[in-house]
Amino acid sequence: DAKTTQPPSMDCAEGRAANLPCNHSTISGNEYVYWYRQIHSQGPQYIIHGLKNNETNEMASLIITEDRKSSTLILPHATLRDTAVYYCIVYSGGSNYKLTFGKGTLLTVNP
Amino acid sequence: DGGITQSPKYLFRKEGQNVTLSCEQNLNHDAMYWYRQDPGQGLRLIYYSQIVNDFQKGDIAEGYSVSREKKESFPLTVTSAQKNPTAFYLCASSNGQFTDTQYFGPGTRLTVL
Repeated sequence: DAKTTQPPSMDCAEGRAANLPCNHSTISGNEYVYWYRQIHSQGPQYIIHGLKNNETNEMASLIITEDRKSSTLILPHATLRDTAVYYCIVYSGGSNYKLTFGKGTLLTVNP
Repeated sequence: DGGITQSPKYLFRKEGQNVTLSCEQNLNHDAMYWYRQDPGQGLRLIYYSQIVNDFQKGDIAEGYSVSREKKESFPLTVTSAQKNPTAFYLCASSNGQFTDTQYFGPGTRLTVL
């Protein structure tokens, strides 16, 4: 019962912006949108999260649509080291602290 | 240098042996978690602990045991009762408050021969 839908793979040229989409049409009002990435054989790395406002940090920007049914993670200047599987997760915490990772999007940054 | 450490990176054991995976954090986080990842799959929650001396089963707790005697440590024992123990094991921690971000360690790859 996946709560998010992401494309299985995307390509991006080095130095260009990478825009990773995520659909979460059944998101509830208390659920946040989280993004993690995982490089092969490493632990997932937290990137950014948001509730309804757009967010930006040193790694990325998160754009959430007004109806909150979809979001886009933006890596402004992709490098080869950004090649990884990116996971979009909706999470509300509470008594069930489980993060549910789906299949994610494999982003390949090409030279 | 704050973070979560897991050791060892790679672990090999013979079938039928219990093995304990280490997870230590110096982030002063209250909550800690253990996940399992199989090839090409998402993460599945094994156990979590919101506070010292307390822990709860996750979705796939059978064949695993944990302890939380110290705030910074949350070791996972993979027992011989676990039918398919070969996997990538990930430990995470968070402040334990509502929606707090979970931060992950580097993982331990366990192979049972």
